[in-house]
Amino acid sequence: QKEVEQNSGPLSVPEGAIASLNCTYSDRGSQSFFWYRQYSGKSPELIMFIYSNGDKEDGRFTAQLNKASQYVSLLIRDSQPSDSATYLCAVIGGSYIPTFGRGTSLIVHP
Amino acid sequence: GAVVSQHPSWVICKSGTSVKIECRSLDFQATTMFWYRQFPKQSLMLMATSNEGSKATYEQGVEKDKFLINHASLTLSTLTVTSAHPEDSSFYICSPTLGSPGGETQYFGPGTRLLVL
Repeated sequence: QKEVEQNSGPLSVPEGAIASLNCTYSDRGSQSFFWYRQYSGKSPELIMFIYSNGDKEDGRFTAQLNKASQYVSLLIRDSQPSDSATYLCAVIGGSYIPTFGRGTSLIVHP
Repeated sequence: GAVVSQHPSWVICKSGTSVKIECRSLDFQATTMFWYRQFPKQSLMLMATSNEGSKATYEQGVEKDKFLINHASLTLSTLTVTSAHPEDSSFYICSPTLGSPGGETQYFGPGTRLLVL
């Protein structure tokens, strides 16, 4: 059973702080890793994807992948109240079918 | 990012009727289409996976005769909920995927909220 684990939260950070979201996965054959943001009542929207070990930066977002430790994280710098949402981690492995975590609720308070 | 449309966005229907949901990838050709269902405050639940021109592969516990999936082309897929019942009320989301294995990017439609009375 392939699993993707996320802390459900909520993770509460003050505006302007760095929010750190973590995700671990069980399938060592996983190849593709995605972070999605989902606002209440809306469908997920892609924030970032990462395929290789290391960091990938896109604006205020940085994805970090460590395949040896089987974790992927998302850092949000200069957090804004509009970043308040549920963040979903998704992993695609050898079956080419994505497995989603249950999501971490992030609250950025002014 | 890629543009994906779903129609309708909202459906309210009586128990026993069938509901058809369309998903279109507007600016790319999807190699694979995933259909998800999401109940309130829960994560996405994969229902089925389909490739253009092939029969869909359903996840365990999903009735293939109740949830009919047609993947007519690389830009259009439909999900028909047959003889809908109140327990089928949920948020249905299509997800076309672009790219080859190991390099996929998965996008989501805006979702269809189904309420069965």
